Amino acid sequence: KNEVEQSPQNLTAQEGEFITINCSYSVGISALHWLQQHPGGGIVSLFMLSSGKKKHGRLIATINIQEKHSSLHITASHPRDSAVYICAVRSANTGNQFYFGTGTSLTVIP
Amino acid sequence: DVKVTQSSRYLVKRTGEKVFLECVQDMDHENMFWYRQDPGLGLRLIYFSYDVKMKEKGDIPEGYSVSREKKERFSLILESASTNQTSMYLCASSRFQGFTEAFFGQGTRLTVV
Repeated sequence: KNEVEQSPQNLTAQEGEFITINCSYSVGISALHWLQQHPGGGIVSLFMLSSGKKKHGRLIATINIQEKHSSLHITASHPRDSAVYICAVRSANTGNQFYFGTGTSLTVIP
Repeated sequence: DVKVTQSSRYLVKRTGEKVFLECVQDMDHENMFWYRQDPGLGLRLIYFSYDVKMKEKGDIPEGYSVSREKKERFSLILESASTNQTSMYLCASSRFQGFTEAFFGQGTRLTVV
């Protein structure tokens, strides 16, 4: 049983398209993170959310605590956005551990 | 501005070698974590530590040990590396409680040959 589910698993988009990646979770959380992993493996934390919405450049992340759902949006997508995007939740109940989705592999075609 | 540093980006080791993966954080965080990432399985917790000299097993501790002698440093040890330990290893740190950020290292890709 996965505490965190992401969709889609794979996504191919044309440059300029608006992209949405979804994350649903089943545990009580204190925070949710969106991570970006580029080919070559380096992982960068994009956002930490506990409520509402955050925006950074062309990236927007939202969370609905009641529905246990978060979305990551990319506006005006670019080939350099090609990466794996991972949703991670920090459990409120199990000693501050994290649970991770399996990731969404995004390819943006020029 | 680096907050969590893993000692190596890439490592190649031989079967049977003792391997040390080092992680250092500069934020005075109590919690530190080691994960491994495998295709189709996502990130899985190996060990975590909530204080100096304290450690807790995660979901997949077999074949690994850890050391936390100082607050800022959390080491993952493969006592006798095996090919099934070829993976991406990720370190993270966070404050013990509350709505605080967690920070992630950039990962170490370990290949055991």
